[in-house]
Amino acid sequence: GPKVLQIPSHQIIDMGQMVTLNCDPVSNHLYFYWYKQILGQQMEFLVNFYNGKVMEKSKLFKDQFSVERPDGSYFTLKIQPTALEDSAVYFCASSLGQDTQYFGPGTRLLVL
Amino acid sequence: GDSVTQTEGLVTLTKGLPVMLNCTYQTTYSPFLFWYVQHLNEAPKLLLKSSTDNKRTEHQGFYATLHKSSSSFHLQKSSVQLSDSALYFCALKRTQVVGQLTFGSGTRLQVYA
Repeated sequence: GPKVLQIPSHQIIDMGQMVTLNCDPVSNHLYFYWYKQILGQQMEFLVNFYNGKVMEKSKLFKDQFSVERPDGSYFTLKIQPTALEDSAVYFCASSLGQDTQYFGPGTRLLVL
Repeated sequence: GDSVTQTEGLVTLTKGLPVMLNCTYQTTYSPFLFWYVQHLNEAPKLLLKSSTDNKRTEHQGFYATLHKSSSSFHLQKSSVQLSDSALYFCALKRTQVVGQLTFGSGTRLQVYA
């Protein structure tokens, strides 16, 4: 089936540093999403993105978070500065339209 | 807001037995329900989906029926295999809207020989 790739698979950084998580969505998909999963908890929606703009975001999408997809390349989630509570697995997803979202394998972020 | 409840955190079974993983939801919108399966260190993969009331949907031996009257979308399989051991997530989206999925907390299915 359609594959979403995420780079890196793991990232360890010091609190206060900036981190960029990269997502390579399915090639013809138009809608892009980020979800956050803290260890042992359910996956929670952060943000979705279409046509160069954020469509909706949750209360978890703090001011320190930003997303972009410059010129059709990677869809990125940037956190600047990072905090300890940002440690989680971040999943990227993409969809062609209203229907199925396809997920990547996640980036495991550890903030020390 | 929308919510999804999965009551079992862990289900352990011997292979060959039937299984049912529970999923109930709350929303004031027309619901679109999904089951995703996630094997260790892999991406969550779509298993089943439905927005049609009282119609059974099947894939890879798993099946589920959306019952709007009881707000449920339970996942079933008549005979589990060792390879079915994984984490199963139920998720909800509002139909006709491109938007977020609301996930349940997940049920880990562990199948033993």
